[in-house]
Amino acid sequence: EPEVTQTPSHQVTQMGQEVILRCVPISNHLYFYWYRQILGQKVEFLVSFYNNEISEKSEIFDDQFSVERPDGSNFTLKIRSTKLEDSAMYFCASSVSSGNTIYFGEGSWLTVV
Amino acid sequence: GIQVEQSPPDLILQEGANSTLQCNFSDSVNNLQWFHQNPWGQLINLFYIPSGTKQNGRLSATTVATERYSLLYISSSQTTDSGVYFCAVAPSGLTFGKGTHLIIQP
Repeated sequence: EPEVTQTPSHQVTQMGQEVILRCVPISNHLYFYWYRQILGQKVEFLVSFYNNEISEKSEIFDDQFSVERPDGSNFTLKIRSTKLEDSAMYFCASSVSSGNTIYFGEGSWLTVV
Repeated sequence: GIQVEQSPPDLILQEGANSTLQCNFSDSVNNLQWFHQNPWGQLINLFYIPSGTKQNGRLSATTVATERYSLLYISSSQTTDSGVYFCAVAPSGLTFGKGTHLIIQP
């Protein structure tokens, strides 16, 4: 069964460093998403991306965050200057269309020290 | 934005018991999904169910969109059912509830 894949599975970074999290969505999907989950809390929406542009973003997704689809398969989340509070599990997800099932990757656990 | 409330927040059951998890939401949605988050943090899709009823083995779900609630039923619980169950809804990007933490004891 096709799945969303994410790399790295776990990254430790120093505060102030830039981090890029990578995702390969399911191949025929057109909508891509990033979510995050701080330890012990609920999953929070960050951003959705369609047709090479952001279609919706939450207030969490500030100027420190950016997304990109650099080629036909990858979808990346960049955090420009990480803060301690950015430590969380980051989930990439994709769907065929905006009203269909959204499939999640296994997550990238980011620890900022 | 849309609000999602899940109940109960915690549930402890013996193996073999049945359970009902509830999700209430504050506005019309075009997407409702139930997820199981396992102890390794993976979000496993259980159901895409913006309306109607679906069944998959021991699990079933019902969404009454006009009443703005959804129910997840787990029958004959097994220890592997333990974890957090999330309901998530959308007009667009999914909004998650806080989850129901289910513990199935042997």
